[in-house]
Amino acid sequence: DTGVSQNPRHKITKRGQNVTFRCDPISEHNRLYWYRQTLGQGPEFLTYFQNEAQLEKSRLLSDRFSAERPKGSFSTLEIQRTEQGDSAMYLCASSSYRGTNEKLFFGSGTQLSVL
Amino acid sequence: DAKTTQPNSMESNEEEPVHLPCNHSTISGTDYIHWYRQLPSQGPEYVIHGLTSNVNNRMASLAIAEDRKSSTLILHRATLRDAAVYYCILRDLVTQGGSEKLVFGKGMKLTVNP
Repeated sequence: DTGVSQNPRHKITKRGQNVTFRCDPISEHNRLYWYRQTLGQGPEFLTYFQNEAQLEKSRLLSDRFSAERPKGSFSTLEIQRTEQGDSAMYLCASSSYRGTNEKLFFGSGTQLSVL
Repeated sequence: DAKTTQPNSMESNEEEPVHLPCNHSTISGTDYIHWYRQLPSQGPEYVIHGLTSNVNNRMASLAIAEDRKSSTLILHRATLRDAAVYYCILRDLVTQGGSEKLVFGKGMKLTVNP
């Protein structure tokens, strides 16, 4: 169990550029979540997958955001035409869904700064 | 989603027990109480969860009031590594296959003094 891995750890980009983050979940975990966290706030839910199916998307996930989880393994989160308001920590979590006993395991996040 | 209320912050001393309160007066009968914590520069970490009965694990204990309108996370012997933001979250898992996301609030910052 190597934990949830997120890359890159830090990303600095200019406004209007596209960025892509990658999340590698714990092996064989069937659920994968994306959250966003700004300074002083708790994580905000963005979307989640069960295997390769995207089951729910938050209203926070505008048309500029897209997430994929091909083959139900790693996941990518892409932000197109970044804006300064997109600056945040993007967190990924995975779980082996077991109903009421589901425990989420989080990665250390990708810190995005949009200049 | 039913909401929880936590103090903004608490302080404790190393090697002493710490009781972290959480109010959830609008909890429904199918809401589970989950606790996560977030150490500096890290993602949140699962601590414990329960429904009605008190729960213990290697990290902490969870004491749930009889009316379930409040709960307390108990760290039996605080260490400097317990300094973190603690989140108390209600999660309804009745609707399997429905929305089962964790909804985080602002949490409560615990400072542990040496």
